[in-house]
Amino acid sequence: SAVISQKPSRDICQRGTSLTIQCQVDSQVTMMFWYRQQPGQSLTLIATANQGSEATYESGFVIDKFPISRPNLTFSTLTVSNMSPEDSSIYLCSGDGTGSSTDTQYFGPGTRLTVL
Amino acid sequence: GENVEQHPSTLSVQEGDSAVIKCTYSDSASNYFPWYKQELGKRPQLIIDIRSNVGEKKDQRIAVTLNKTAKHFSLHITETQPEDSAVYFCAASRGSGTYKYIFGTGTRLKVLA
Repeated sequence: SAVISQKPSRDICQRGTSLTIQCQVDSQVTMMFWYRQQPGQSLTLIATANQGSEATYESGFVIDKFPISRPNLTFSTLTVSNMSPEDSSIYLCSGDGTGSSTDTQYFGPGTRLTVL
Repeated sequence: GENVEQHPSTLSVQEGDSAVIKCTYSDSASNYFPWYKQELGKRPQLIIDIRSNVGEKKDQRIAVTLNKTAKHFSLHITETQPEDSAVYFCAASRGSGTYKYIFGTGTRLKVLA
């Protein structure tokens, strides 16, 4: 299984600013995803981070608000732009495992974001 | 749209008893069904998964069953222990050949010592 780390683990930001979250995988993975998890809620997929091309966004999420980069097969960033208190949430990245079970996702520890 | 319903939302059991969590999915093309356990403040961790060509899978105290006709799948935990207390999420792959998931709403399991 892939081992995934995220930075920062948490942050407190002022409204109107932006925060970039980094996701690092210890091995090459085909797919990387970004999720949002509100306190006490389930996981909502924001987008699929595609290596070498633009991310694929889910309904309700747009590139201007959540720009994503994926420069290689082990790293991705998610930026939360022009933040408002409604963006306060946990942001999780995931990657599929290497080997045959490439549809299994493994998660990073999450980034807890608080917007004041 | 596609969705995954999960029940119950909370479940309390006595230590040593069994716990069952049920999910129903809507996309008949879904073919992969993982279960995740999330402890407070931690990442979701895969505990077991099942593919659509299998009806049941077991790993020690944990088992998952799948009824493709009814589009139901269930998580069974036997001989529950306090460390099983967590939130459990089911998920279904979004169609076949896609790596995206639709997650259920979660079940908060509390095992009472």
